[in-house]
Amino acid sequence: GDSVTQMEGPVTLSEEAFLTINCTYTATGYPSLFWYVQYPGEGLQLLLKATKADDKGSNKGFEATYRKETTSFHLEKGSVQVSDSAVYFCALSAPVIQGAQKLVFGQGTRLTINP
Amino acid sequence: DSGVTQTPKHLITATGQRVTLRCSPRSGDLSVYWYQQSLDQGLQFLIQYYNGEERAKGNILERFSAQQFPDLHSELNLSSLELGDSALYFCASGLLGQGVSPLHFGNGTRLTVT
Repeated sequence: GDSVTQMEGPVTLSEEAFLTINCTYTATGYPSLFWYVQYPGEGLQLLLKATKADDKGSNKGFEATYRKETTSFHLEKGSVQVSDSAVYFCALSAPVIQGAQKLVFGQGTRLTINP
Repeated sequence: DSGVTQTPKHLITATGQRVTLRCSPRSGDLSVYWYQQSLDQGLQFLIQYYNGEERAKGNILERFSAQQFPDLHSELNLSSLELGDSALYFCASGLLGQGVSPLHFGNGTRLTVT
């Protein structure tokens, strides 16, 4: 079945450092790819998405490019802030068939940014 | 604020009991999804409803059931509870138009089984 593998955390960086969180996937067909972020005590929030190969999703300084040849969707940010501390989830969704949509998540990567 | 409302926020109950978790989707969303988040299993998809009908099923135990009502709110029923059912249960909603739609998550219900 479809699956997502994320780099294991926790990840700890200093403010203004460069961030990469690796994500690779296994899926049949052409899934859509997402990054979600979960702040303490809250639900998941959509951070960015890409729906086809070579698409780049971006939001709040974060970017990820859908790489079909390497089945990857790595999350990057050039200069992290303390407020970026959260858990980040990579996810995929196969094309919708007869109204059925299942979002499959990676295990999550906890990111801590120190001032 | 995602617009998805889940109640209650916290629930503490004993083994063998039954509980009901409630979810109101974001205005305009017809599809509701339930997820279980635990430390060892991560985020597991349980079930999806679209406009009152079940559309996709994941790793949902037979002791668990769900439904979506005509006003589009959804309930997740958990029965014969076990210690291992302690987790954060999330509801999400989506538009589900022609293609894949992002999901909008509620803040979850934290279930503790003692």
